[in-house]
Amino acid sequence: DAGVIQSPRHEVTEMGQEVTLRCKPISGHNSLFWYRQTMMRGLELLIYFNNNVPIDDSGMPEDRFSAKMPNASFSTLKIQPSEPRDSAVYFCASSLGEVQYFGPGTRLTVL
Amino acid sequence: GDSVTQMEGPVTLSEEAFLTINCTYTATGYPSLFWYVQYPGEGLQLLLKATKADDKGSNKGFEATYRKETTSFHLEKGSVQVSDSAVYFCARFYNNNNDMRFGAGTRLTVKP
Repeated sequence: DAGVIQSPRHEVTEMGQEVTLRCKPISGHNSLFWYRQTMMRGLELLIYFNNNVPIDDSGMPEDRFSAKMPNASFSTLKIQPSEPRDSAVYFCASSLGEVQYFGPGTRLTVL
Repeated sequence: GDSVTQMEGPVTLSEEAFLTINCTYTATGYPSLFWYVQYPGEGLQLLLKATKADDKGSNKGFEATYRKETTSFHLEKGSVQVSDSAVYFCARFYNNNNDMRFGAGTRLTVKP
């Protein structure tokens, strides 16, 4: 079975550009989570969805960040405009119940 | 509010040494507790879990016991290997609102 799929795996962009990260959860899972991981701040929950509905977006840093889940098999995290301090590894995870399954992450570098 | 606190790393051990990584939590109810592991360049993956007081989770030689009286879920392994080098995250979960919170993570390095 395919696990959580994230794309791209690596993204290098310049400050001010729009960045879109993509996630395909495990089929049949009903919850999806976006996390950000940095050395300084560790693992941070940005937002999570239940049945495609955003439940808690209190971790989204600011209005430059937005997330959507148009259907059960796809989610995006968008940063517009991007800034160097957004450089991090972004993880998507999905679950059906209490165990979360993480994707391999997208390493974002904003120059 | 609720939180999960792990011992700060990094932890460096020699192969076959005994490992303990402390984890305590604060909670208003009765969460499930987890240890996740992150190997270099990968996402987190479940290592073990316990869903109620006095439960012991175990996997790959690792163990942790849900201690309600001390609100702890310490991770232990009797003899670590170089391949155990990773970052370990303690987490708590409330089933009623799908709320998972992770600790800060503890980096373990095992030297031959």
